[in-house]
Amino acid sequence: KQEVTQIPAALSVPEGENLVLNCSFTDSAIYNLQWFRQDPGKGLTSLLLIQSSQREQTSGRLNASLDKSSGRSTLYIAASQPGDSATYLCAVLNAGNNRKLIWGLGTSLAVNP
Amino acid sequence: GAVVSQHPSRVICKSGTSVKIECRSLDFQATTMFWYRQFPKQSLMLMATSNEGSKATYEQGVEKDKFLINHASLTLSTLTVTSAHPEDSSFYICSARVPSGRGGEQYFGPGTRLTVT
Repeated sequence: KQEVTQIPAALSVPEGENLVLNCSFTDSAIYNLQWFRQDPGKGLTSLLLIQSSQREQTSGRLNASLDKSSGRSTLYIAASQPGDSATYLCAVLNAGNNRKLIWGLGTSLAVNP
Repeated sequence: GAVVSQHPSRVICKSGTSVKIECRSLDFQATTMFWYRQFPKQSLMLMATSNEGSKATYEQGVEKDKFLINHASLTLSTLTVTSAHPEDSSFYICSARVPSGRGGEQYFGPGTRLTVT
């Protein structure tokens, strides 16, 4: 059974810092991995999607890596800003017929001005 | 990225009434849509998977007669909470998946806050 873990559960950093959020999964048979952002009381915004054959994806100040064999992904945020404060969720889509996103519990990020 | 809309964004209803929530994929056709609920400070819980033209697949513990899902077209899925009770108060989020040939990415609606009084 696929399990997704995110570390740390919460993170507070001063503005301008580079930071890394971690996601690990127990079953390497995945179709893809997505990173999402959720603001309080809001829906989810898809940040980056990495297909199982890819190693990383970049969008602006965000870079996500995937090491499928070790069951790990990282989300790197460069030059953090207060507007980056949100909960960041990692989810994997299992390979096979029963394709459902399996979610981590998220990392709550606070970037302090 | 693709856009998924949800309506209404907030709804307050009385106990015993039914509420319908709509989910639309605005710029792509979604053969598969998903309905989630989220309690405060918890992660998303998948309720059901909806495939266009067929019956929804419900997760264990989700009452299919209470949470009616209809996926009548490739761009619209609806969730009807029947005979709502206060414990049904939650944040409901729908999601639509881009076809596998286009990457299989999942996009989420902005959510619907349901309050049952």
